[in-house]
Amino acid sequence: QVQLVESGGALVKPGGSLRLSCAVSGFNFGDNYMSWIRQAPGKGLEWVSYISSGATYRDYAASVKGRFTISRDNAENSLYLQMNSLRAEDTAVYYCARMVNTVTTGYFDPWGPGTQVTVSS
Amino acid sequence: SYELTQPPSVTVSPGQTARITCSGDVLATQYTYWYQQKAGQAPVLLIYKDTERPSGIPERFSGSSSGTTVTLSISGVQAEDEAAYYCQSTDSSAAYVFGTGTKVTVL
Repeated sequence: QVQLVESGGALVKPGGSLRLSCAVSGFNFGDNYMSWIRQAPGKGLEWVSYISSGATYRDYAASVKGRFTISRDNAENSLYLQMNSLRAEDTAVYYCARMVNTVTTGYFDPWGPGTQVTVSS
Repeated sequence: SYELTQPPSVTVSPGQTARITCSGDVLATQYTYWYQQKAGQAPVLLIYKDTERPSGIPERFSGSSSGTTVTLSISGVQAEDEAAYYCQSTDSSAAYVFGTGTKVTVL
């Protein structure tokens, strides 16, 4: 049974840091690209970052580049998102998802249930 | 940042067909993917590569593409189809972009 479970969400002050984790089971984690996607309250979906299977390639949305770092531990079947210099606009539910790559694009399947990050003083 | 445009809402009667459009220049050259998100839940992949349906997704969900507009159709709409629907593709800078989202109401 495929399962992705995020953790680490919390209430944090502006300028603070947080590390999200995603535990994966049910598929070969080390063979797959992974991604983080977020959803602000009452808003749509926003892709945040992806990482290749061997961590060679990573990319970030312009809104988080330089502040967030994606990483993975294939031995632990775990994905991470280190978030620094957090802002109020980073408040969202953060989802991890397997990313399926085609030649020129990719999509996300399946998704975890998400973890809430709130940035507020 | 680049966005794909969807109608904010669509209202449909049970048993009828709902059609949700997604527009953007990149859609003429990139595949489109569709997700369903029910209230309080994570999104679920409905359609990939414009028209393909993953296993387990009912046949009443279908996708089509024409130029810069793609369409998700839900035939024989059921009450359980009430949800938000998002399209997704890749923009010219290879960033992954989602549509603005469409709330489908079944009345």
